[in-house]
Amino acid sequence: GESVGLHLPTLSVQEGDNSIINCAYSNSASDYFIWYKQESGKGPQFIIDIRSNMDKRQGQRVTVLLNKTVKHLSLQIAATQPGDSAVYFCAENIGDSNYQLIWGAGTKLIIKP
Amino acid sequence: DGGITQSPKYLFRKEGQNVTLSCEQNLNHDAMYWYRQDPGQGLRLIYYSQIVNDFQKGDIAEGYSVSREKKESFPLTVTSAQKNPTAFYLCASSISSYSSYNEQFFGPGTRLTVL
Repeated sequence: GESVGLHLPTLSVQEGDNSIINCAYSNSASDYFIWYKQESGKGPQFIIDIRSNMDKRQGQRVTVLLNKTVKHLSLQIAATQPGDSAVYFCAENIGDSNYQLIWGAGTKLIIKP
Repeated sequence: DGGITQSPKYLFRKEGQNVTLSCEQNLNHDAMYWYRQDPGQGLRLIYYSQIVNDFQKGDIAEGYSVSREKKESFPLTVTSAQKNPTAFYLCASSISSYSSYNEQFFGPGTRLTVL
């Protein structure tokens, strides 16, 4: 079964506020994590990634935090905009011989005007 | 302009027919993947290929078949044995699956509807 899961299936955020999307993983051997954004009817797009030797990584308006102690990953989106409405997936690479990505169920982010 | 293309965007099939979904990439990636996505759900791996002329079953391979005769192409056939084929199908590629840092790039998807 999947080792990655999400705490909230839907998240509603006021436009301009910060969004925090959470993800839990269970495999301590995971060494690489990715966040993807999927807009309706489209394929997922890469947002940001982080390796297990890091705690934090920042991109443009996005920050990913990794807490290996509690096996928790989060995506923070600053100043949320209407264009941020999408489903967000976390994925982990458990570092086995196949190096496959294990996908979480996704969180739908809704922006309130 | 590099990327992954999938065709067609929408596909309708009569029950009992086989149908083939196209996936082409010009990123020179070794690894390619097929996922299935049902409404409101995550991605489930159907098949993947780490190199030309080689492919492995994913979590839900039953009722599907693939080929990898060329590096840039990884077509997926949905056979009549697939009991519930209506879904959104996503193709992806990555530089290599023999690496931990394995970002996957996705195509736009094909929505298959069985009538």
